Amino acid sequence: AQKVTQTQTSISVMEKTTVTMDCVYETQDSSYFLFWYKQTASGEIVFLIRQDSYKKENATVGHYSLNFQKPKSSIGLIITATQIEDSAVYFCAMRETGFASALTFGSGTKVIVLP
Amino acid sequence: ETAVFQTPNYHVTQVGNEVSFNCKQTLGHDTMYWYKQDSKKLLKIMFSYNNKQLIVNETVPRRFSPQSSDKAHLNLRIKSVEPEDSAVYLCASSYTGGRNTEVFFGKGTRLTVV
Repeated sequence: AQKVTQTQTSISVMEKTTVTMDCVYETQDSSYFLFWYKQTASGEIVFLIRQDSYKKENATVGHYSLNFQKPKSSIGLIITATQIEDSAVYFCAMRETGFASALTFGSGTKVIVLP
Repeated sequence: ETAVFQTPNYHVTQVGNEVSFNCKQTLGHDTMYWYKQDSKKLLKIMFSYNNKQLIVNETVPRRFSPQSSDKAHLNLRIKSVEPEDSAVYLCASSYTGGRNTEVFFGKGTRLTVV
């Protein structure tokens, strides 16, 4: 069975600095997909970035980037040049390649960006 | 712009009542999901539905059932609500395979059982 673990419950950072969030996962599949989502204060869940397990290169989208360490089953999220609007709960998630497989989520990390 | 639409946004009901939540996606996806988010913000899959094949999370109580008329719609019915059903219910959709594996979410329906 798949499992996703986020151990950091809350992180506070100053605006314009970098924040790093940890995530480790467990799966029996040899091929899988890893995601980071953001849940805003309004409750909306927004897709941010994705890493395919077979790709060695870390994904980057805008000021989001990933630190994918496959031997450690780890997929960290890095946000550079943080802005106030980056304050949110960030969820790590995994999806295996099975038919209609669903996302399995971690418990989330709350990020507070201070002015 | 949200392409997964849920109604209602909020619903308050009494224990034992039946409720039904609607979900529609306009992304052309072939798979839809219902997730439950509890008061601790934990997100748990309830159902996956693809081409009329239903995959059920075994921990979901039998009073919950999904209902689909076509691949763009997946409603959620709760036969006799209980206090522990108070939560946010999130509908989502995606493609089954290929390169586009992202899952997109609606804005959720907040259920309060009194």
